[in-house]
Amino acid sequence: DQQVKQNSPSLSVQEGRISILNCDYTNSMFDYFLWYKKYPAEGPTFLISISSIKDKNEDGRFTVFLNKSAKHLSLHIVPSQPGDSAVYFCAASARVGGGSEKLVFGKGTKLTVNP
Amino acid sequence: GAGVSQSPRYKVAKRGQDVALRCDPISGHVSLFWYQQALGQGPEFLTYFQNEAQLDKSGLPSDRFFAERPEGSVSTLKIQRTQQEDSAVYLCASSLAGTPTGKYFGPGTRLTVT
Repeated sequence: DQQVKQNSPSLSVQEGRISILNCDYTNSMFDYFLWYKKYPAEGPTFLISISSIKDKNEDGRFTVFLNKSAKHLSLHIVPSQPGDSAVYFCAASARVGGGSEKLVFGKGTKLTVNP
Repeated sequence: GAGVSQSPRYKVAKRGQDVALRCDPISGHVSLFWYQQALGQGPEFLTYFQNEAQLDKSGLPSDRFFAERPEGSVSTLKIQRTQQEDSAVYLCASSLAGTPTGKYFGPGTRLTVT
């Protein structure tokens, strides 16, 4: 049973346009959500996060939106740049007291930004 | 170095061999995590240490997998009698306690079992 789902394996956008990556989750205990970016042969790099008490968090070109009622979050990248081409992972954690704060990851979405 | 380092970066093992994968976390990071990433999948949690204490090992797939962090710094993930299904990238992450956003990942060790 996959608790974090990224239903689009790949996404292709033109440079300068908006990239929207989607993520759905099933576990209502998740209270913290993160996006990671991964280049080949490297480990995931933290991008941006959002707590369940918020519905939006923005950092430069990256904005994450959270819709708790729909158990859905999205990452917006605008404007997209060729250097953004990578695999993006959505991850969630349940920061309940005493928990290990382990992350549950989706399968990833490969973003290609075309010049 | 400033980041999490892992060694070896690549390991080829014959089925049945034992392997040991090393993780050097960022200095001062209390929490250390191991994840397994199979081809085409996202990372999956294996185990978690806070200092030298292994607080969660619920993700270890079998008793062939064993992890330790005896002095609360370097950690070793050992896989005994490797099987083909163990082929994956093994990622280590470290963070300050209580800061999930501070999870810094190493580059991973790609294990191929032939």
